[in-house]
Amino acid sequence: QLQLQESGPGLVKPSETLSLTCSVSGVSISISDNYWAWIRQPPGKGLAWIGSIYYSGNAYYNPSLKNGVTLSVDTAKNQFSLTLRSVTAADTAVYYCARVSGRIAAHFGNWGQGTQVTVSS
Amino acid sequence: SYKLTQPLSVSVALGQTATITCGGNNIGNTNVHWYQQKPGQAPVLVIYRDNNRPSGIPERFSGSNSGNTATLTISRAQAGDEADYYCQVWDSGVVFGGGTKLTV
Repeated sequence: QLQLQESGPGLVKPSETLSLTCSVSGVSISISDNYWAWIRQPPGKGLAWIGSIYYSGNAYYNPSLKNGVTLSVDTAKNQFSLTLRSVTAADTAVYYCARVSGRIAAHFGNWGQGTQVTVSS
Repeated sequence: SYKLTQPLSVSVALGQTATITCGGNNIGNTNVHWYQQKPGQAPVLVIYRDNNRPSGIPERFSGSNSGNTATLTISRAQAGDEADYYCQVWDSGVVFGGGTKLTV
């Protein structure tokens, strides 16, 4: 059964770099023909897509965040990661990783439980 | 950038039919997906590609998409259906609607 689990620091200082990892179990990232995504949800607000990445490293980013975001994949560890630079309070959110059920334009068929990230000094 | 418009809230009586809309320019020309999110939980896919239900989602959930409006319909609404619902499309990137709070 496919499972995704986010991990990373719960608290990050403003201007620092946030790094989150999503560990995938139940399927090999490098074999499955899926994209893998990060989505966040600020407190009390809706869902916002950050970006999606294929195991080859091909990635798509939300243009509103693109300059500060990098997605990467570690096929050996069956993980993919999010790096968000120069964070501000506006980056405080629950961060979800998810599997895109097929090609890049498909739906998010599986989600992690989410991890709370707070940006504060 | 492409924008999806959802009503902030929808109310439905127990056992009745709830309709949640998602408006977008020519949305009928693209695939729409719907997610249910209960408080403190991750979203769950309830409809994909306009009108397909993932395994485990009750038949009470259905979808349609035409013109400028996609619709999620929940028949025989139950207390457990109370949640936020989000529509989603791909338009040079993932776009989510703002979400609709369903009260039963």
